Amino acid sequence: SAVISQKPSRDICQRGTSLTIQCQVDSQVTMMFWYRQQPGQSLTLIATANQGSEATYESGFVIDKFPISRPNLTFSTLTVSNMSPEDSSIYLCSVGWESTDTQYFGPGTRLTVL
Amino acid sequence: AQSVTQLDSQVPVFEEAPVELRCNYSSSVSVYLFWYVQYPNQGLQLLLKYLSGSTLVKGINGFEAEFNKSQTSFHLRKPSVHISDTAEYFCARRGVLGFQKLVFGTGTRLLVSP
Repeated sequence: SAVISQKPSRDICQRGTSLTIQCQVDSQVTMMFWYRQQPGQSLTLIATANQGSEATYESGFVIDKFPISRPNLTFSTLTVSNMSPEDSSIYLCSVGWESTDTQYFGPGTRLTVL
Repeated sequence: AQSVTQLDSQVPVFEEAPVELRCNYSSSVSVYLFWYVQYPNQGLQLLLKYLSGSTLVKGINGFEAEFNKSQTSFHLRKPSVHISDTAEYFCARRGVLGFQKLVFGTGTRLLVSP
């Protein structure tokens, strides 16, 4: 497994602003993923972020709204742009290795948009 | 389409009683199956996983699950629950070719009362 940290742990933001969430892993990982968990709901994959390539977005998510960076094998950021109250969710970073076929999750960032 | 069904949105149970959380998946191909737990205001923690081999999988905190291919089920069980088991439990699946994305069920809230 790995120790995954996210910053910030929570934030309250105004409509129209942007927030960048950081995900740091204590070891090198091949694959990183960003998920959204809307209030009272399950997890939905936003995008897959592999180092050295552009992020791959799932249907319903676009790069202009959720730009992602993956500068190295231990770090990634997700930006939630031009926020609206509908973006209020928990955003979770997840990492995986092909050798284990398992994903591990960070503690999440709880975002509230007013 | 790939899907995971958790029929029970909430399961109330008394402390020290046994519990079963149901999970069914749709698939015409081989799958990997996972159970994650989310304690209040925390991220997801891996409970157990089925990749191959024995159909009875043991995880952390005394939980176990049984893979049933004919019934496409992966129910989670614990013979005696504790108050501290109160949490949201998510079943998830992924395909076995490459590192495919996780598809989550809608979650089951386990409420353990004294």
